[in-house]
This record gives sequence, structure tokens and C-alpha cells, in this order.
Amino acid sequence: NAGVMQNPRHLVRRRGQEARLRCSPMKGHSHVYWYRQLPEEGLKFMVYLQKENIIDESGMPKERFSAEFPKEGPSILRIQQVVRGDSAAYFCASSPEGFRSSYEQYFGPGTRLTVT
Amino acid sequence: RKEVEQDPGPFNVPEGATVAFNCTYSNSASQSFFWYRQDCRKEPKLLMSVYSSGNEDGRFTAQLNRASQYISLLIRDSKLSDSATYLCVVSRSNDYKLSFGAGTTVTVRA
Repeated sequence: NAGVMQNPRHLVRRRGQEARLRCSPMKGHSHVYWYRQLPEEGLKFMVYLQKENIIDESGMPKERFSAEFPKEGPSILRIQQVVRGDSAAYFCASSPEGFRSSYEQYFGPGTRLTVT
Repeated sequence: RKEVEQDPGPFNVPEGATVAFNCTYSNSASQSFFWYRQDCRKEPKLLMSVYSSGNEDGRFTAQLNRASQYISLLIRDSKLSDSATYLCVVSRSNDYKLSFGAGTTVTVRA
């Protein structure tokens, strides 16, 4: 059973460009979470999605960031007009349907975004 | 104030030594507690959950002190492979939002 997959693993963008990060959850998982890890800091919750629904985006910056989890295909985290402060590791996690315990989140390998 | 605070270390210990470190959390509504391990900025992996009565998994022992709002992890008989960053993680009951500390780095030397 393949784990959570993220691509690309490394992404370099110039200031002002768009970054698209993709996450395919584990097979059978319908809940997706995005976290951001800035240098020397802990992971911070960004958004929680189920298929075609954003459940909680309270951790997302109000501007330039958006996320989706379409009926078909991976979840996408989109950052428009990137700035240097967006440079970070972005981790996706997934959990199965009907989960009760928050530890049932399985993390992907992350995408390291560098903004030059 | 950060929700979860950890001593960043590093803790440099020889093989076979015992190393212990704590983390503190600020939200008294926190109900679930975990230690995760992160290698070289790779994905976090669950090491163990932390229960009120304390629990042990092989060489790893975790303790929870609700009154003082801290969690500890003790590693006995350290192995080279224990070198990693240990992340303290808390969440409220049945809450999907995990709150991570910045991590404590442990380096085990031969």
C-alpha cells in the first residue's frame, strides 16, 4: 500500500511566480491536511479538506494561498505570487474515513519550496 | 507564547547513554499527546502516543504531567540510529489539528 505521495519534492520559484504542490493521499483515505514547516520551527496546520470540500482553512494565509481536493486527482495547494517568506517545507497528511484519533494522520515526504 | 515549546538541544550523547528531554504545552484543553520523530527534515513519523499513566515502548519511555503541562521522553541505551529530531505534538480531544513543537535534536555518537 503506497504511502502519501507528494510532488514535486523540491520546487524553486522566482518571486511573483505561482507554486503548485500536489498530494495524493494513501489509498482509501479521504481526509487530507496540509502543514507548513518554516526553518527552525514546528509544523503549522494550514488546511483540512475532504473530497470537494474545504472543512477548515483557519491556518491558511488570507491572501495568495488556496487549496482544493477535487473528486478525481490529487489535492493541490496553490500559492500565487510567491514571496521569499513562502520558502518552507510543505507536508501533506491523510487519514482514513471515519477516523476518531488525530494521530491517524500519515505524512507524505513533503515539498521543499525555495523562492529566489 | 507558542502552544508547544521544546528545548532545541542539541543533545550529544555517546552510544549506550540515557537521554531525556521535556516539552511544555500552553493549552490546558489539550487531550492527546504524541512524540514524533523527524530525520533530516523528512516527514514526521509517529514514535509513540503519551498516556496519562506514562507508557513505555522498548527503550523509549514517555510521561505526561497534566498539572504542570509537560511531556517527557526518555531514551535508554541510545543507538546511533536514534539520532534525529524529536517532535512533541499535542491536540485537543478528537481534534484533527496537530500542534507541533519545533523539535529537540539528539545526536548519538559512537
